[in-house]
Amino acid sequence: EAGVAQSPRYKIIEKRQSVAFWCNPISGHATLYWYQQILGQGPKLLIQFQNNGVVDDSQLPKDRFSAERLKGVDSTLKIQPAKLEDSAVYLCASRFDRVSADTQYFGPGTRLTVL
Amino acid sequence: GDSVTQMEGPVTLSEEAFLTINCTYTATGYPSLFWYVQYPGEGLQLLLKATKADDKGSNKGFEATYRKETTSFHLEKGSVQVSDSAVYFCALSGGGSYIPTFGRGTSLIVHP
Repeated sequence: EAGVAQSPRYKIIEKRQSVAFWCNPISGHATLYWYQQILGQGPKLLIQFQNNGVVDDSQLPKDRFSAERLKGVDSTLKIQPAKLEDSAVYLCASRFDRVSADTQYFGPGTRLTVL
Repeated sequence: GDSVTQMEGPVTLSEEAFLTINCTYTATGYPSLFWYVQYPGEGLQLLLKATKADDKGSNKGFEATYRKETTSFHLEKGSVQVSDSAVYFCALSGGGSYIPTFGRGTSLIVHP
């Protein structure tokens, strides 16, 4: 079974520029998550999708971050404009359903550096 | 809201030593509890989980028991190997909401 795919793996941009990350979850997984992991900290949930609908985006900085999951499969996360404090690893994870006991499967992450 | 507290790292051990990484949680309801491991340059992967009180999760020699009375889910291994060097994250899901909550992570370094 193929895992969660993410691209790019690394991205370096200057502040005020825009950036987009892509995620392809495991086939058949209805629930998709985007996390921000700052160095030395645990993953922090940004947004959670169930199929193509948003379940929770309470921790997403909506003035600069946006995300979509068209057709309930792939997802993109965008930052516009980027700030220095956005430097982090952005993790995508998927789950068969949002039942609490289900395992999340994580992609390798995209490491963003904002200069 | 829900929260997870892990012991600070790094934890440095010699090969074959006993490992304990403490994890306590705060949540409403009856969450499921997880330990994830992150090897350098990789994403997180599930190590073990427990879905109800007194359940024991186990995998690759690691164990953790869901203790509702002490709200804890401590990770243990009887004999660590150099290949166990990684960052370990305690997490919960299904507490007060469907938002998964992670601890800060504990780095484990095992020397030969």
